[in-house]
Amino acid sequence: NAGVTQTPKFQVLKTGQSMTLQCAQDMNHNSMYWYRQDPGMGLRLIYYSASEGTTDKGEVPNGYNVSRLNKREFSLRLESAAPSQTSVYFCASSDGWPGEAFFGQGTRLTVV
Amino acid sequence: GQQVMQIPQYQHVQEGEDFTTYCNSSTTLSNIQWYKQRPGGHPVFLIQLVKSGEVKKQKRLTFQFGEAKKNSSLHITATQTTDVGTYFCAGNSFQGGSEKLVFGKGMKLTVNP
Repeated sequence: NAGVTQTPKFQVLKTGQSMTLQCAQDMNHNSMYWYRQDPGMGLRLIYYSASEGTTDKGEVPNGYNVSRLNKREFSLRLESAAPSQTSVYFCASSDGWPGEAFFGQGTRLTVV
Repeated sequence: GQQVMQIPQYQHVQEGEDFTTYCNSSTTLSNIQWYKQRPGGHPVFLIQLVKSGEVKKQKRLTFQFGEAKKNSSLHITATQTTDVGTYFCAGNSFQGGSEKLVFGKGMKLTVNP
């Protein structure tokens, strides 16, 4: 089993460009999450999806959109990238409640 | 909204020392989880505590959930260089029909051999 797979692993964008971060899990989990990690700020929740077809805002949703395409996939879109969105992005999934969260390897995004 | 705070944010210890780090939530939690992230890696689940006052041990690591289910602690005995990394606690609450996992800012541990 691959677990949680994120693509790409690294990306450099110019300010104003758009891109979609992809995430897929093969564990049949209901819940999926997107976090960003910045130095000294820990992991901050951007959006989460408790089940297929539902999404909710987390702590820092501004500038992002998400799509829960199906039970396996949860994508994060930056419509107009800004330097403040330079960060490491982690996707995670968990099996209902309560549940251990499994993380992907992360995407290191730089916006110049 | 729910907030999870960790104390201290940084800890530097001599190899062989014991230490404790703490996690406090602004709201009552359904459960609390602890994760470890090695430098350059991703967070990896360590343990989950569900019951009030629960204590669990993993080798040299002891985890405790407070009686009021609003705080938790991680105690490491005889610290080793392999313990280096950032430890996160994550509070889990079931609100409005959905589960949300909120992380603290982490406690970065460095060890002097």
